[in-house]
Amino acid sequence: QVQLVESGGGVVQPGRSLRISCAASGFIFSNYGMNWVRQAPGKGLEWVALIWYDGTNEYYADSVKGRFTISRDNSKNTLYLQMNSLRDEDTAVYYCAREEAGDLTLWGQGTLVTVSS
Amino acid sequence: QAGLTQPPSVSKGLRQTATLTCIGNNNNVGNKGATWLQQHQGHPPKLLSYRNNNRPSGISERFSASRSGNTASLTITGLQPEDEADYYCSAWDSSLSTVVFGGGTKLTVL
Repeated sequence: QVQLVESGGGVVQPGRSLRISCAASGFIFSNYGMNWVRQAPGKGLEWVALIWYDGTNEYYADSVKGRFTISRDNSKNTLYLQMNSLRDEDTAVYYCAREEAGDLTLWGQGTLVTVSS
Repeated sequence: QAGLTQPPSVSKGLRQTATLTCIGNNNNVGNKGATWLQQHQGHPPKLLSYRNNNRPSGISERFSASRSGNTASLTITGLQPEDEADYYCSAWDSSLSTVVFGGGTKLTVL
């Protein structure tokens, strides 16, 4: 079954770090660029980061640049997002999404990250 | 980062046709077209259309996408109660090297 499953969300204090993961199955993970997209409560979708299929290039939204790092392990079919110096405004559901020629064609069910003291 | 422009809300009657718009520029929508996503409350986004009018398997033919210049459109015919949802467009922006989203359109089926 073609799917993406996120994990690792939770409650974290401001200024702390958290790493979330996305496990891919049912397709050749190493053939696709992968993204993280987030959605704050009651808000729209916000793109966070993209990593190329082979991990050689990464791109970030200005709102997370310098604090978040996207990475992947193609041997484990897994995508990661390392989030440092977390802020209240980083509270959101984080989705991973598969990219095909600029289109986000497959989405996970999301993992909730809550930044709160 | 600059995003795409969508109307915040659209209301149409049952069995009517709704057309949702998404305005970008030459670097995003005008370059490669837009992706359309549907999201029901409490659920993840669902792909409706990509690379302009390609529908994934399982998506009804009532959903069709098109593009004219820098404006992408999603037309939904024969509106049903289950079509009531938020609809988002997205595109790769070659100038910003980022994905950009519209703010979303809340479709109400009366």
